[in-house]
Amino acid sequence: EAAVTQSPRNKVAVTGGKVTLSCNQTNNHNNMYWYRQDTGHGLRLIHYSYGAGSTEKGDIPDGYKASRPSQENFSLILELATPSQTSVYFCASGARLGGEDTQYFGPGTRLLVL
Amino acid sequence: QQNVQQSPESLIVPEGARTSLNCTFSDSASQYFWWYRQHSGKAPKALMSIFSNGEKEEGRFTIHLNKASLHFSLHIRDSQPSDSALYLCAVDTGNYKYVFGAGTRLKVIA
Repeated sequence: EAAVTQSPRNKVAVTGGKVTLSCNQTNNHNNMYWYRQDTGHGLRLIHYSYGAGSTEKGDIPDGYKASRPSQENFSLILELATPSQTSVYFCASGARLGGEDTQYFGPGTRLLVL
Repeated sequence: QQNVQQSPESLIVPEGARTSLNCTFSDSASQYFWWYRQHSGKAPKALMSIFSNGEKEEGRFTIHLNKASLHFSLHIRDSQPSDSALYLCAVDTGNYKYVFGAGTRLKVIA
């Protein structure tokens, strides 16, 4: 079973502060993704990466940066956190192998910005 | 921009019933279609996928895809209380990216 871990699992931050969410995968997948999940919106793509050193903007990148220093690690950075960024954040890894293109999700990070 | 809509928003069915969940999309060039299931407080987990028009069955679950009508669906036969979850459909937009629907919340009552 593919393994994706996230840290921290819960985070309380203050408005204007810097927040870093970390993700690690042991699947050796090239692709990694950051989503946020809010009631009524499903999963929305923030940033994604095709491999170490690459980051791409997703559908809602404003206010977020991403970093992919290695195959295993993908971070999401909120330089100046705002209350509107209160959400549950999921990291995922994926690869298209043999026609299958499954994404494997981490357990999520619940972020509250006060 | 791919637009993915799910219906209904929520559904309550008795144990043993057949359940149908729907997903519509806007880009006819999409090639990969997925259903994910998310139990309360857990991560989404891939359930089933389909890549060509028609039907695919795995156990109690069946996917139908009709690209011409921009529609695919998930059918659950003999629904169980353990099937209670949020069901998310996902459609590819190219370059290994997906757009997810807002989800259908299913509750199966024993």
